[in-house]
Amino acid sequence: QQQVKQSPQSLIVQKGGISIINCAYENTAFDYFPWYQQFPGKGPALLIAIRPDVSEKKEGRFTISFNKSAKQFSLHIMDSQPGDSATYFCAARVAGSARQLTFGSGTQLTVLP
Amino acid sequence: DTEVTQTPKHLVMGMTNKKSLKCEQHMGHRAMYWYKQKAKKPPELMFVYSYEKLSINESVPSRFSPECPNSSLLNLHLHALQPEDSALYLCASSQGLAGGPRTGELFFGEGSRLTVL
Repeated sequence: QQQVKQSPQSLIVQKGGISIINCAYENTAFDYFPWYQQFPGKGPALLIAIRPDVSEKKEGRFTISFNKSAKQFSLHIMDSQPGDSATYFCAARVAGSARQLTFGSGTQLTVLP
Repeated sequence: DTEVTQTPKHLVMGMTNKKSLKCEQHMGHRAMYWYKQKAKKPPELMFVYSYEKLSINESVPSRFSPECPNSSLLNLHLHALQPEDSALYLCASSQGLAGGPRTGELFFGEGSRLTVL
């Protein structure tokens, strides 16, 4: 019930291409869906987040698309750059839960120059 | 630069040693967390403190002992660890526990890389 499924496990994209990472969930009590970016040797950093009353959120080259009926959300990175190479985690939070976030399994993105 | 500071960045210890990891934040956050992260895996929650009181212990072995001396500091005391405890230990903070639009946003430190020999 708490699980968030993330795919693909790894992704290789050419510079300038579009990177797409998908996540799916079952628990309809989730009310907040952040994406974290983690570089090697660093902690995760919040990249962008969305709430279920919004179908899309864009910040620069990063866009979250949210499909409430399908219980899916995805991260799109437009004009992918080598500096975007990192591990990306989707996550979800149940309102009122002290445990905060349930993380997806992660996607290792490599953007080739 | 992260606003959650963790020390040390790297720690190597033997199975009989006692050591501590430290975490500090000056954002006025009232909730603090310890996570454990293995290579190529997502962070796993260990402990949650809210207003300096332990709120959640995710069935963590007693060889890990958390401490929250004040609202800005969080420690993780380590004793008699096993090689399988080698991991990246992440501290995080949030304004409060989940409930409001922003209270649940987690800010992570850069982590302490622990190696147990």
